[in-house]
Amino acid sequence: GAVVSQHPSWVICKSGTSVKIECRSLDFQATTMFWYRQFPKQSLMLMATSNEGSKATYEQGVEKDKFLINHASLTLSTLTVTSAHPEDSSFYICSALVRRETQYFGPGTRLLVL
Amino acid sequence: SQELEQSPQSLIVQEGKNLTINCTSSKTLYGLYWYKQKYGEGLIFLMMLQKGGEEKSHEKITAKLDEKKQQSSLHITASQPSHAGIYLCGADGSNFGNEKLTFGTGTRLTIIP
Repeated sequence: GAVVSQHPSWVICKSGTSVKIECRSLDFQATTMFWYRQFPKQSLMLMATSNEGSKATYEQGVEKDKFLINHASLTLSTLTVTSAHPEDSSFYICSALVRRETQYFGPGTRLLVL
Repeated sequence: SQELEQSPQSLIVQEGKNLTINCTSSKTLYGLYWYKQKYGEGLIFLMMLQKGGEEKSHEKITAKLDEKKQQSSLHITASQPSHAGIYLCGADGSNFGNEKLTFGTGTRLTIIP
């Protein structure tokens, strides 16, 4: 199956700094990627839809200025957590959409803000 | 790793009929999630089940987790066109609930008028 990678897999940062997470489709092109967030013992929650060449669509309650998404190419989407705070600590997962119905998930990035 | 199997893989149901989708795990489920995906869109969280025998309902959708916590079912009553999409179960195999989710194979639901 298609492979999606995320980098980094782990990141620890100080409060107030910005963190960029990359999501790449390794052997296919994806015009649409999704960013999810998972809290411990909670479900995966959709944050935003990233479309190549256009602005991301954010779900209700997600701050677009806080979580900047850039889908610069058909194989790369980035999520930047700006001015990170401890409450932003979480597990962030991306997925790439193929043929409008099949999602291939990345391995996730665990963010810890101190 | 934990494997999740869903059945059926595909389901075509006449509008107004009831239907059930099953999700079976090879290991005990510590957290079971149901999601819906419309074509071209991201996953939308439906329900989470954690306790054996637990049952939750939202509108016309009911999800259950069996006592052994290895099987879950999603039941839709009086199906509507808006119910069409792909349904995925996801499981958390960790006691601490902070591991990456494992997803089922998916069930494609089509509602015909």
